[in-house]
Amino acid sequence: GAVVSQHPSWVICKSGTSVKIECRSLDFQATTMFWYRQFPKQSLMLMATSNEGSKATYEQGVEKDKFLINHASLTLSTLTVTSAHPEDSSFYICSARPRTSGTDTQYFGPGTRLTVL
Amino acid sequence: DAKTTQPPSMDCAEGRAANLPCNHSTISGNEYVYWYRQIHSQGPQYIIHGLKNNETNEMASLIITEDRKSSTLILPHATLRDTAVYYCIVRASYDKVIFGPGTSLSVIP
Repeated sequence: GAVVSQHPSWVICKSGTSVKIECRSLDFQATTMFWYRQFPKQSLMLMATSNEGSKATYEQGVEKDKFLINHASLTLSTLTVTSAHPEDSSFYICSARPRTSGTDTQYFGPGTRLTVL
Repeated sequence: DAKTTQPPSMDCAEGRAANLPCNHSTISGNEYVYWYRQIHSQGPQYIIHGLKNNETNEMASLIITEDRKSSTLILPHATLRDTAVYYCIVRASYDKVIFGPGTSLSVIP
């Protein structure tokens, strides 16, 4: 149980284009989902927290107009990297927290590797 | 400020127990100790968590000192597949999961 998927697993795009990454909780409902970014040889950095049906909360230094987050249902959150540039190339990882009361363990997706040319 | 301190790297012989330490001297009474691991190019995997009692599951054991200022994650019989970065995280319920640099564990044949 507690499986989180991401799609696509990797994507290559041209500079200036937008890329959408999906995060799904497969066997549970998630009221809260989180988006992280990880550069090579570095730890995960939290970008934003999204709650179903409300606007995402972004961490300091993360541009909300560049990284659009939508959490329209209890099993799906999307991250759109708008006008991507080579410096946005990174490993993007989502996590989800089950709606079930009594647990707040976050479960992570497998990650999406974005390369911007 | 980092809430936890972990050694940057460790080696362990295959088949032996891997003991990964974590210091969290400023832990608050309502904060749990969580462990995750990340195998190269994958998302983090939840391992175990505890408040003050020792915990064991099918993956590992978590030993928390009585004063809760440190803990040890024990992988009883390390395999090559356990080579990963292990993250010790201290957080209260429903707080965000913030990752530090972790410990890079290499299991040696």
